[in-house]
Amino acid sequence: AQSVTQPDIHITVSEGASLELRCNYSYGATPYLFWYVQSPGQGLQLLLKYFSGDTLVQGIKGFEAEFKRSQSSFNLRKPSVHWSDAAEYFCAFYSGGYQKVTFGTGTKLQVIP
Amino acid sequence: DGGITQSPKYLFRKEGQNVTLSCEQNLNHDAMYWYRQDPGQGLRLIYYSQIVNDFQKGDIAEGYSVSREKKESFPLTVTSAQKNPTAFYLCASSISSGQETQYFGPGTRLLVL
Repeated sequence: AQSVTQPDIHITVSEGASLELRCNYSYGATPYLFWYVQSPGQGLQLLLKYFSGDTLVQGIKGFEAEFKRSQSSFNLRKPSVHWSDAAEYFCAFYSGGYQKVTFGTGTKLQVIP
Repeated sequence: DGGITQSPKYLFRKEGQNVTLSCEQNLNHDAMYWYRQDPGQGLRLIYYSQIVNDFQKGDIAEGYSVSREKKESFPLTVTSAQKNPTAFYLCASSISSGQETQYFGPGTRLLVL
């Protein structure tokens, strides 16, 4: 079955530290992959997406993600976290055609001063 | 500015009452979606519409109904048959249902009195 997994429910980092949020998918081919961010009480905003080509994808707000086919992963990274990055992050998966987008269960990021 | 609006921001439902959540978009998108978000469960698809006057059930359609009479509008009715309606409801749209990037509204929080 096609699925996307975010193993970390909650992550705490210090401001200025680096960040990596994990996302793993299960699918026989290369899917379309996304990272969205949600601030409390708000809708989701697209950070970045991967369809094909360069496996290192740059997004907004200084985020990047790397697609690794061998590990079925699409981890989100940021070199230096800001307090405003505190939010919930969702990885999402789309297999193409008229299939629906499947969202992971989210990782809540807390940033401490 | 193009975008998606949802109203109201908060909605209170009494037992046995039907309530309707509004979703409007001016992005000229064909496809629209309704998701339910509960803590720790990510986003679950309730209904989606690929085109005007057409819609399909998602994963958790029981107790909900929708209509798509206009391209811009996709209201969701939470009926009295939905026994646990307390959640955060998100509306989204995409250029077409074959287009994977979804744009989200700010959400409506539904609470039961």
